[in-house]
Amino acid sequence: DTGVSQDPRHKITKRGQNVTFRCDPISEHNRLYWYRQTLGQGPEFLTYFQNEAQLEKSRLLSDRFSAERPKGSFSTLEIQRTEQGDSAMYLCASSLASPQETQYFGPGTRLLVL
Amino acid sequence: KQEVTQIPAALSVPEGENLVLNCSFTDSAIYNLQWFRQDPGKGLTSLLLIQSSQREQTSGRLNASLDKSSGRSTLYIAASQPGDSATYLCAVRAGRRALTFGSGTRLQVQP
Repeated sequence: DTGVSQDPRHKITKRGQNVTFRCDPISEHNRLYWYRQTLGQGPEFLTYFQNEAQLEKSRLLSDRFSAERPKGSFSTLEIQRTEQGDSAMYLCASSLASPQETQYFGPGTRLLVL
Repeated sequence: KQEVTQIPAALSVPEGENLVLNCSFTDSAIYNLQWFRQDPGKGLTSLLLIQSSQREQTSGRLNASLDKSSGRSTLYIAASQPGDSATYLCAVRAGRRALTFGSGTRLQVQP
């Protein structure tokens, strides 16, 4: 059983650089979510896709952030011109659209902006 | 705006104790509530999901209850073990698809 995978697991970058993260959901799942988690807090919603359509974006998702899911399978999250405040764990989750929808989370990508 | 609060923020108990973690939410119009476990530096593992029409769910030593009208849920852990040490997160799904999380309860079970 292949779960949700994320790559890379850790990323250290300098302020102002661009970074891109990848998420591979569970293969039959049509919904994919991105969350951000800072130390000592619960995850906060960033954006969500159903198949390849981006259906919702949080106000947390500034114009420096962009997410894609080009073929309804894997997704990428890009942060341009990173800032120190972007340092966080970025979590991806996937689910199957159903009344009993359960989200399954990946291991996360930990970003440190110096 | 939905807000989720978890009490206590941290808890330390000796091995073998039964314990209760609390979660409250401000908007009772939810679809479901989910409890997760998170180990340090790791992703989230789903423990239990309770639909809005249900009162409780059980899995092994874990029992989660839901009182939607009062905006409360509890996670009961029986006979705690050192391996239960982790952060436990409560999350609700309301009108939109995304989950709204609490800040978690950090549990330490001492041998």
